[in-house]
Amino acid sequence: DAKTTQPPSMDCAEGRAANLPCNHSTISGNEYVYWYRQIHSQGPQYIIHGLKNNETNEMASLIITEDRKSSTLILPHATLRDTAVYYCIGVPLRGGADGLTFGKGTHLIIQP
Amino acid sequence: DTAVSQTPKYLVTQMGNDKSIKCEQNLGHDTMYWYKQDSKKFLKIMFSYNNKELIINETVPNRFSPKSPDKAHLNLHINSLELGDSAVYFCASSQAASGRGEFFGPGTRLTVL
Repeated sequence: DAKTTQPPSMDCAEGRAANLPCNHSTISGNEYVYWYRQIHSQGPQYIIHGLKNNETNEMASLIITEDRKSSTLILPHATLRDTAVYYCIGVPLRGGADGLTFGKGTHLIIQP
Repeated sequence: DTAVSQTPKYLVTQMGNDKSIKCEQNLGHDTMYWYKQDSKKFLKIMFSYNNKELIINETVPNRFSPKSPDKAHLNLHINSLELGDSAVYFCASSQAASGRGEFFGPGTRLTVL
């Protein structure tokens, strides 16, 4: 799996867009970029994933650079409930049952 | 209508005991996993299992063993518990090629005294 690098922590004001960066310069062409988050004392939660194109769902948007060496997760209108640790993870296209390799993630704190 | 459930939520036990944590998923997924989150909050894969293969993280002691009575369950058995086994254990499930990622349970906090 691709190794990813994320800032250890970020702050964002409530109601603003939270932009979380991730560097994955070693990602290969056969790996998706997945984002998960873990709210305190809960299990991790899937947010979004992408391969080459930008993606959007009801939770967030994912912007992947053309060279696929980095991506940004965007929470368009952050709320206090978005305070969590956010993980960017490379996942092979082939699927299989390897499980996820979590890094240290970014602790996003939404300020009221 | 919980997707992935674990029991118990909390487990406190003495060193040397044998214990089990149960996991059930009602999503019809074909693959289930166990993860360990230590006191420093690092999440690590322990096992992944579908009806074809069991993949074991080589760092997991053989005191830990997963048991799958059926496709919807993957229980974690731990023998001769040690202090260092204290952690939060998460079960997860996924469906191959669905693209929806893994669904995690709420976790079981194990404390070994």
